[in-house]
Amino acid sequence: DAMVIQNPRYQVTQFGKPVTLSCSQTLNHNVMYWYQQKSSQAPKLLFHYYDKDFNNEADTPDNFQSRRPNTSFCFLDIRSPGLGDAAMYLCATSRGYQDSYEQYFGPGTRLTVT
Amino acid sequence: GESVGLHLPTLSVQEGDNSIINCAYSNSASDYFIWYKQESGKGPQFIIDIRSNMDKRQGQRVTVLLNKTVKHLSLQIAATQPGDSAVYFCAGNTGNQFYFGTGTSLTVIP
Repeated sequence: DAMVIQNPRYQVTQFGKPVTLSCSQTLNHNVMYWYQQKSSQAPKLLFHYYDKDFNNEADTPDNFQSRRPNTSFCFLDIRSPGLGDAAMYLCATSRGYQDSYEQYFGPGTRLTVT
Repeated sequence: GESVGLHLPTLSVQEGDNSIINCAYSNSASDYFIWYKQESGKGPQFIIDIRSNMDKRQGQRVTVLLNKTVKHLSLQIAATQPGDSAVYFCAGNTGNQFYFGTGTSLTVIP
């Protein structure tokens, strides 16, 4: 049973054309994370939500935005994708902080920028 | 910034042998660590975790060792199988965030 779902699995967008990636979860977890993973590299945290509280990483470019309209869904918006934004985007969830660190990852969305 | 890094980018082992994957971390305040397995085209999958008040934790065929003195942890996989071929990441916390190491690609030779 899918617990963290990402749509689409593959996304192609044009340079500068806004794109939105979607994540949903059936775990009712409080925290949702977005990571960027480039080829042969470790996932890099972009930002996360604890409930509706948004937490941005200091080095996440302004070009990346996120929305969490409810517990189940979280979106990653890339306002003007550049060639360097081509990567795998991973969504993850966790119950919370402290004793609930375990993260459940979705399968990822692979973004191609042409 | 914080860093959690791995010593070796690739590791090849014979099927049935034991594998050891190493990881060094820099933040002495990190108190929780996770090992993830990532197969090609998939998201990372939780393998095992360890808190800083422990120095060893065992799972099914896997053992994580933590040496806080030298800020090092390792993942040991017993009787490595072809299905263990993947990239393995360690991750450590800094406050409420996790930072991943660079990953080790494990190849199991039949």
